[in-house]
Amino acid sequence: DIQMTQSPSSLSASVGDRVTITCRASQSISNYLNWYQQKPGKAPKLLIFAASSLQSGSPSRFSGSGSGTDFTLTIRGLQPEDFATYYCQQSYNTPLTFGGGTKVEVK
Amino acid sequence: QVQLQESGPGRVKPSETLSLTCTVSGGSISSDYWSWIRQPPGKGLEWIGYVSYTGSTNYNPSLKSRVTMSVDTSKNQISLRLNSVTAADTAVYYCARVVLVRNRFDPWGQGTLVTVSS
Repeated sequence: DIQMTQSPSSLSASVGDRVTITCRASQSISNYLNWYQQKPGKAPKLLIFAASSLQSGSPSRFSGSGSGTDFTLTIRGLQPEDFATYYCQQSYNTPLTFGGGTKVEVK
Repeated sequence: QVQLQESGPGRVKPSETLSLTCTVSGGSISSDYWSWIRQPPGKGLEWIGYVSYTGSTNYNPSLKSRVTMSVDTSKNQISLRLNSVTAADTAVYYCARVVLVRNRFDPWGQGTLVTVSS
């Protein structure tokens, strides 16, 4: 199985901040990497697919980058509605696997 | 716009079988793949497997011996059965459409909590 490791597991930030979350794969996955946002009590929501493609409806302040084993999700100008947990997911092969999540909290 | 809704018992006894249904509205299941994903309370996401509209399946090896997924195209439903459950199977269970381009999950159902307890 491909292991996905996210860092940090949590971070504190303020509205307007730039936030960066990292996801590392245990082997190369090209750009087969998706990002999800999950708010408490809600289902995850797709934000970015193929490492850097913004899902329709996702705000443009979200961006993704990376290829191979190292990936980054960046939020430019954090908004109140962005406080949530973010998960990466590899889609390179099955079993499809997720990172452990990064919780973005209010500073 | 496709919407998914999970349904089933909220409590299952240890050693018994967990059975859930996902009803799809706003679109037909007859052209897509569908996944089940679970999330233990306070923990991360685990992919259980997916089923195609033709009934072909791909399961997570960690659960493969206990899982069965199927589709009912006449009812626009996907089902999940997980047998011999233990407390470790307590989780919120989500169904989601698999967009085959890059195997991404979108959209998701709201999820249903299943507690394994006697």
